[in-house]
Amino acid sequence: AQRVTQPEKLLSVFKGAPVELKCNYSYSGSPELFWYVQYSRQRLQLLLRHISRESIKGFTADLNKGETSFHLKKPFAQEEDSAMYYCALRAGGAQKLVFGQGTRLTINP
Amino acid sequence: DAGITQSPRHKVTETGTPVTLRCHQTENHRYMYWYRQDPGHGLRLIHYSYGVKDTDKGEVSDGYSVSRSKTEDFLLTLESATSSQTSVYFCAISGTTGELFFGEGSRLTVL
Repeated sequence: AQRVTQPEKLLSVFKGAPVELKCNYSYSGSPELFWYVQYSRQRLQLLLRHISRESIKGFTADLNKGETSFHLKKPFAQEEDSAMYYCALRAGGAQKLVFGQGTRLTINP
Repeated sequence: DAGITQSPRHKVTETGTPVTLRCHQTENHRYMYWYRQDPGHGLRLIHYSYGVKDTDKGEVSDGYSVSRSKTEDFLLTLESATSSQTSVYFCAISGTTGELFFGEGSRLTVL
């Protein structure tokens, strides 16, 4: 079975500091990984997906198949980055996404 | 925002009563999903649909049923609500890109 683990429920960093949200997955095949974000009073929305290999709002994430990880990183956190972040996995060929438990990120001024 | 709406947005009900949540889309997407969001559990898939009258179970389907009689509507029914079903329910749709678009959520409280 596929599983996504986000080990940190809460993460607090100061503005301007680097931030890393951890995501590990278990899946024996070739996965597709995503990060979704939920800002206060807004809908869940896609932040980035590994196949596009792009940087969104300064965030990047690299799929490391050896470590089965897809950590989300940003070199300089901003207050508007405060939100709930979910890592998600799609198993090859499936239409379902499996989500992690979520990490609430708080950026302190 | 993708054309997806949920109703009702908030509902308080009593244990044992039936509840139906509605998800409506205007995007003509094939896939529709119902997730529940709970602290410490993240988002868990309840049921999903891959076409009219085509549905399948997710990881937490017990106590829930769904129906999809039209492309645009996906209904989630709790036949007899229990306190453990107090949650925030999210509908999502996806098209050819595989990206999920979410509704605003429906907060259900079962007393």
